[in-house]
Amino acid sequence: AQSVTQLDSQVPVFEEAPVELRCNYSSSVSVYLFWYVQYPNQGLQLLLKYLSGSTLVESINGFEAEFNKSQTSFHLRKPSVHISDTAEYFCAVTITGTASKLTFGTGTRLQVTL
Amino acid sequence: NAGVTQTPKFQVLKTGQSMTLQCAQDMNHEYMSWYRQDPGMGLRLIHYSVGAGITDQGEVPNGYNVSRSTTEDFPLRLLSAAPSQTSVYFCASSRITGFEQYFGPGTRLTVT
Repeated sequence: AQSVTQLDSQVPVFEEAPVELRCNYSSSVSVYLFWYVQYPNQGLQLLLKYLSGSTLVESINGFEAEFNKSQTSFHLRKPSVHISDTAEYFCAVTITGTASKLTFGTGTRLQVTL
Repeated sequence: NAGVTQTPKFQVLKTGQSMTLQCAQDMNHEYMSWYRQDPGMGLRLIHYSVGAGITDQGEVPNGYNVSRSTTEDFPLRLLSAAPSQTSVYFCASSRITGFEQYFGPGTRLTVT
């Protein structure tokens, strides 16, 4: 079975500073990787995904994540955060070929302040 | 499209009561699932369905039942509510071959 570890439960950061949210996974077979974002009192929304091809994937709002197979990681980064990025971020994994059955990490709460 | 809708938004139950959480989607998605979200534990899969008439257990199925009589609807039944089932419940849907799950707004359930 696959698993996901998000070591940081909370990450406080000042506006316009860079941020990295860490995600490591464990699986004996090939995986697809995802980052979902949850704004307060809302459901989850897909932020970005890695399926195949380029190991660097980007979202429309400036986040990026890099798939590193040797380190089994899929860290999320943003060079300059905004107050509106305050949310909880979940890393998720699924085995290739079973794209819909996700295993989630425990989440990282990103708190952006002025 | 309304996407994924869930009712009710909030619910308080007494221990031993039963209830059904409703979930519907209008995107003709084959795959639907129920998760519960608890602080510090992320989202855990309760039950899922790959199409009408087909359901299967996820990571934490005990105390919950599901059925899928239509493509659109995937209700979650709590048979005899327990305080341990206090949680936020999310329904999600996707295409079988799609990689994005669409989540509903959630149902916040408190069992006293």
